[in-house]
Amino acid sequence: NAGVTQTPKFQVLKTGQSMTLQCAQDMNHNSMYWYRQDPGMGLRLIYYSASEGTTDKGEVPNGYNVSRLNKREFSLRLESAAPSQTSVYFCASSEQVPAAANTGELFFGEGSRLTVL
Amino acid sequence: GQQVMQIPQYQHVQEGEDFTTYCNSSTTLSNIQWYKQRPGGHPVFLIQLVKSGEVKKQKRLTFQFGEAKKNSSLHITATQTTDVGTYFCAPHDDYKLSFGAGTTVTVRA
Repeated sequence: NAGVTQTPKFQVLKTGQSMTLQCAQDMNHNSMYWYRQDPGMGLRLIYYSASEGTTDKGEVPNGYNVSRLNKREFSLRLESAAPSQTSVYFCASSEQVPAAANTGELFFGEGSRLTVL
Repeated sequence: GQQVMQIPQYQHVQEGEDFTTYCNSSTTLSNIQWYKQRPGGHPVFLIQLVKSGEVKKQKRLTFQFGEAKKNSSLHITATQTTDVGTYFCAPHDDYKLSFGAGTTVTVRA
């Protein structure tokens, strides 16, 4: 099993360009997440999808859109890239929504390193 | 969302020594997870703590959840070079996990 697969691994964009980061998981997980990681700031949640057909904003959603295409796939789109969106993006999935006491661990993809010039 | 502070931000450890990293919250946490991220890698789940005062051990790693469920700690004994990386605590907030800024550990051989 591949786990969580993200594409592309690296991308350089010019300011104003658009792009979509793709994420797919093969673990039949219900929940999927997009985080960004910047030096000294840990991981910040952009959007999440608690289950197929639903999406919700996280901590830093501005400038991003998401699509939960089906249970396996969750994409992140930058409509008009800005230098402030230069970051490493991680997709993650978990078996269930982490609200109950017995919750699922997050499985992360390898990350997508995005540079916006 | 839940806000946690991790201290220290950086930890430089002599190989063989022990150290502890702390995760503190101003509010009561329902539960908390810990992750490790190696340099250039992705976060990997280590443990989840749910009960007040809970202590869990994984070989040289000891995780603790405070009695008031407002803080957590990770203690590593006899540090090895394989312990290098950033350790994140991640408290639950409704239907999502938020992450602390992490403690980045380097080891002097």
